[in-house]
Amino acid sequence: DAKTTQPPSMDCAEGRAANLPCNHSTISGNEYVYWYRQIHSQGPQYIIHGLKNNETNEMASLIITEDRKSSTLILPHATLRDTAVYYCIVRPLLYKLSFGAGTTVTVRA
Amino acid sequence: GAGVSQSPRYKVAKRGQDVALRCDPISGHVSLFWYQQALGQGPEFLTYFQNEAQLDKSGLPSDRFFAERPEGSVSTLKIQRTQQEDSAVYLCASSPQGRRSTDTQYFGPGTRLTVL
Repeated sequence: DAKTTQPPSMDCAEGRAANLPCNHSTISGNEYVYWYRQIHSQGPQYIIHGLKNNETNEMASLIITEDRKSSTLILPHATLRDTAVYYCIVRPLLYKLSFGAGTTVTVRA
Repeated sequence: GAGVSQSPRYKVAKRGQDVALRCDPISGHVSLFWYQQALGQGPEFLTYFQNEAQLDKSGLPSDRFFAERPEGSVSTLKIQRTQQEDSAVYLCASSPQGRRSTDTQYFGPGTRLTVL
């Protein structure tokens, strides 16, 4: 699986958009970009995934650059409940998820 | 609907004891995964089942770790002769289809194992 690079931590203000970057410069053509998050003492929770096109769902938007070497997860209106570790994962059409260290996001009132 | 459940949520074992951790996946899900999460780290893959077949056990750290899913639903992860380095959160996940799929994995809350 391609490796990902994420900042170890970031803060954002409640009610503002949170933009979480991920670098995956060695991604190959059949690998998807997935985002999961893990709130303290809970299991990871799926957020969104994409291959080439930008994606949006009720939780977030995923912006993938044209060369697919990086992506940004956007939480449009961060709330205190969005405080969590966010994992960017690149995954081929296979079953395993390879989590890295993720980004610890703290939403402040 | 009901999600993935795991029991017990917390387990304390003395070094050398055997432990069994249970996972109840979402009903009807074909795929089941076990992950291990050490403190401050991301989850790491242990093993994968498609129905009752264990198709990948490459992540199991030693032969003291054993997993089964005999009827293709509930799964048990057993650790024999526990060691302190086995202390971690053990996460179970399930997904609707088989391995060649981009299915979402749904995770349980995990079992926190502490080996004294």
